Amino acid sequence: DAGVIQSPRHEVTEMGQEVTLRCKPISGHNSLFWYRQTMMRGLELLIYFNNNVPIDDSGMPEDRFSAKMPNASFSTLKIQPSEPRDSAVYFCASSFRVRGELFFGEGSRLTVL
Amino acid sequence: EDQVTQSPEALRLQEGESSSLNCSYTVSGLRGLFWYRQDPGKGPEFLFTLYSAGEEKEKERLKATLTKKESFLHITAPKPEDSATYLCAVQGEETSGSRLTFGEGTQLTVNP
Repeated sequence: DAGVIQSPRHEVTEMGQEVTLRCKPISGHNSLFWYRQTMMRGLELLIYFNNNVPIDDSGMPEDRFSAKMPNASFSTLKIQPSEPRDSAVYFCASSFRVRGELFFGEGSRLTVL
Repeated sequence: EDQVTQSPEALRLQEGESSSLNCSYTVSGLRGLFWYRQDPGKGPEFLFTLYSAGEEKEKERLKATLTKKESFLHITAPKPEDSATYLCAVQGEETSGSRLTFGEGTQLTVNP
């Protein structure tokens, strides 16, 4: 079975540009998470969906960040406008039960110049 | 608020030199403690879940144990391929769904 698939793997953009990160969770998983990883702050949860509905977005830094999950097999994380401090690795993860382990994708490395 | 502290931040071992990594946690009602391995440029890879104090899980050279305040990841006779960052995470009763709170990780290097 394919794991969590993220795209793009690497993105380099200029400050002010819009960035869209994409995620396809493992088939049959009903929970999806977006995490951000930096050297300074480690892994931070940005937002969590259950059955395509956003449950907890308290980790979203500010209004420049938005996430959607239009169906069970696709999610996007959008940053508009992007800033240099948004540079990080963004991970998508999915889970097939409410109290279970998360399965992570390979991540999207974002660099904002 | 759930909190996780891992120590040491970095650990260098010689091949075959056994050691332990520590994960101290604070949580209102532990639903699960998770260990992950992360290789450079990759996403975290699930290793173990522990649910209650006294529980132990093993996988090859790794053994995870759990008390009411901390968890240990014991590495027996490590090999260079065990080099990675090991992350600990907790899921508390007051957190929604499968949300995990992660520690900063321990970067393990095993020299041949």
